[in-house]
Amino acid sequence: AQSVTQPDIHITVSEGASLELRCNYSYGATPYLFWYVQSPGQGLQLLLKYFSGDTLVQGIKGFEAEFKRSQSSFNLRKPSVHWSDAAEYFCAVGAGGGGADGLTFGKGTHLIIQP
Amino acid sequence: NAGVTQTPKFRVLKTGQSMTLLCAQDMNHEYMYWYRQDPGMGLRLIHYSVGEGTTAKGEVPDGYNVSRLKKQNFLLGLESAAPSQTSVYFCASSFQGRGGYTFGSGTRLTVV
Repeated sequence: AQSVTQPDIHITVSEGASLELRCNYSYGATPYLFWYVQSPGQGLQLLLKYFSGDTLVQGIKGFEAEFKRSQSSFNLRKPSVHWSDAAEYFCAVGAGGGGADGLTFGKGTHLIIQP
Repeated sequence: NAGVTQTPKFRVLKTGQSMTLLCAQDMNHEYMYWYRQDPGMGLRLIHYSVGEGTTAKGEVPDGYNVSRLKKQNFLLGLESAAPSQTSVYFCASSFQGRGGYTFGSGTRLTVV
């Protein structure tokens, strides 16, 4: 069975600084990988996804992520964070059919932005 | 606006009561999912459906039942609510079961 680990429960970053959120997955075959963001009291919104091809994927809101098979990682990055980026971030992996039978989520990383 | 709508948004139940959570999507998606979110646990899959008339168990199905009588609706039922089912429930849908999901805004359920 697949699994996802987000090692950082909380991360604090100053506004304008760069950001990297870590995600490690466990899955035997080629994974389908996703990053979602959740603002307080809201549902989850898809930031980006990786299925195949270019290992650096671009998403919405200026986010990008890099798939590294050798490290089983799919870290999320942003060059310069804004106060509106404060939220909960979830990494997820899909197995068969790219997630047809459900995604497995990490426990999330809470991002705090300092002024 | 197109998307996934969950009703109700909040509910308080007494132990042993039953209720049904409704999820409706207007995007003609085949695949629908019910997740629960608990602090520090991320999201865990309860049940899912790959099309009208089909359902399947996810990671934490015990105590829940589901039905997908119409393509646009996916119902989650609690037959006899327990305090352990206090959670935020999210419904999601997907066009072909791959790619990103569209999530509803959630139902916050408290069982006392």
